[in-house]
Amino acid sequence: DAKTTQPNSMESNEEEPVHLPCNHSTISGTDYIHWYRQLPSQGPEYVIHGLTSNVNNRMASLAIAEDRKSSTLILHRATLRDAAVYYCILRVLISNFGNEKLTFGTGTRLTIIP
Amino acid sequence: SQTIHQWPATLVQPVGSPLSLECTVEGTSNPNLYWYRQAAGRGLQLLFYSVGIGQISSEVPQNLSASRPQDRQFILSSKKLLLSDSGFYLCAWSDRAQWETQYFGPGTRLLVL
Repeated sequence: DAKTTQPNSMESNEEEPVHLPCNHSTISGTDYIHWYRQLPSQGPEYVIHGLTSNVNNRMASLAIAEDRKSSTLILHRATLRDAAVYYCILRVLISNFGNEKLTFGTGTRLTIIP
Repeated sequence: SQTIHQWPATLVQPVGSPLSLECTVEGTSNPNLYWYRQAAGRGLQLLFYSVGIGQISSEVPQNLSASRPQDRQFILSSKKLLLSDSGFYLCAWSDRAQWETQYFGPGTRLLVL
């Protein structure tokens, strides 16, 4: 499975933008880039995903490099509630039934400083 | 709207005892279902996935088994727990037609002593 590399931890000040990097140099042409986050003692929560083009939703933006070997999750204005572990994942389809395998690494632990 | 339930929330079991964790999904039909485990300080590991009733695929060999007796029910079991089975167990579902997103339950924290 294609792997992703993320920094173990990052800090950011509250109300400032946060850029969370992810390297995925072995990505294949059909791998989607997904981001999930996990708050303490909770299950992961979907944040955003993309294939080639940059994506925006109400939670975040995803900037994908032209060669797709890296991406950046952008939180435009961090709040204390954004403190979580952020996982960058390459989604792999594992059957023709549409189910997929998400291989979670250890992610980036984001700390927000008030 | 769709919801996913897991129980119990916390479980402490002795080594060698059996295990049964249950996961149910409401508000959708024919979902893809998944069981993940997260060891302390580690990422999530996919254990089992299911595309339909009675159809279970295992990702890693282990001391656990899974069953799907009903469309929206997914059960994780063990006949004899090991210390290494301790962890945070998460159930997830995805819509087969719109499978881009997996939705996770609240998890069960299992401690085997």
